[in-house]
Amino acid sequence: KAGVTQTPRYLIKTRGQQVTLSCSPISGHRSVSWYQQTPGQGLQFLFEYFSETQRNKGNFPGRFSGRQFSNSRSEMNVSTLELGDSALYLCASNQGPGANVLTFGAGSRLTVL
Amino acid sequence: AQSVTQLGSHVSVSEGALVLLRCNYSSSVPPYLFWYVQYPNQGLQLLLKYTSAATLVKGINGFEAEFKKSETSFHLTKPSAHMSDAAEYFCAVSDQNAGNMLTFGGGTRLMVKP
Repeated sequence: KAGVTQTPRYLIKTRGQQVTLSCSPISGHRSVSWYQQTPGQGLQFLFEYFSETQRNKGNFPGRFSGRQFSNSRSEMNVSTLELGDSALYLCASNQGPGANVLTFGAGSRLTVL
Repeated sequence: AQSVTQLGSHVSVSEGALVLLRCNYSSSVPPYLFWYVQYPNQGLQLLLKYTSAATLVKGINGFEAEFKKSETSFHLTKPSAHMSDAAEYFCAVSDQNAGNMLTFGGGTRLMVKP
């Protein structure tokens, strides 16, 4: 079965712009989590959605937001981009809370110039 | 708050040698522990997980890890390294009430010399 699909895989933006990243979970998975990966800060949890509700949120500014649709697909948005937002954004899915094993997508690599 | 420390950001071994990647965690409640591997330009792939069953956990590709509560460690080992094992390895922890919120270590890049 298809894995976790993230689009776009690569994108370049300039400071001040906004970006929307998309994640399609594995069929049947209802929980989607987002992580940011940078060389300096490593892997950091952004947020988790289950049944269209945000369950947990990491320590990121309000410029980072997300949502989940009824088909479990998720989007995250970053507004007013800063150079430090350049990162690999990883999406992961599983059946729901308590399933405890995440399947990750290949990521969306964002470069902010 | 949970934290994960991976000793050694880079580890180099010869092909056929033992692989030992170290992970120590701190958690106020019994944790779930994971090892993930990341190949270049790819996402994370689960190697193995500890969820309070057997303390010695076997994973894919010949890797295993032992949960030692007294040492708060979850080191990853493989008896014989293969060139294809060259990648970055991440240890992660979550507590049983944290849903899918994982706390990751800084990662260890494994290099395998021919």
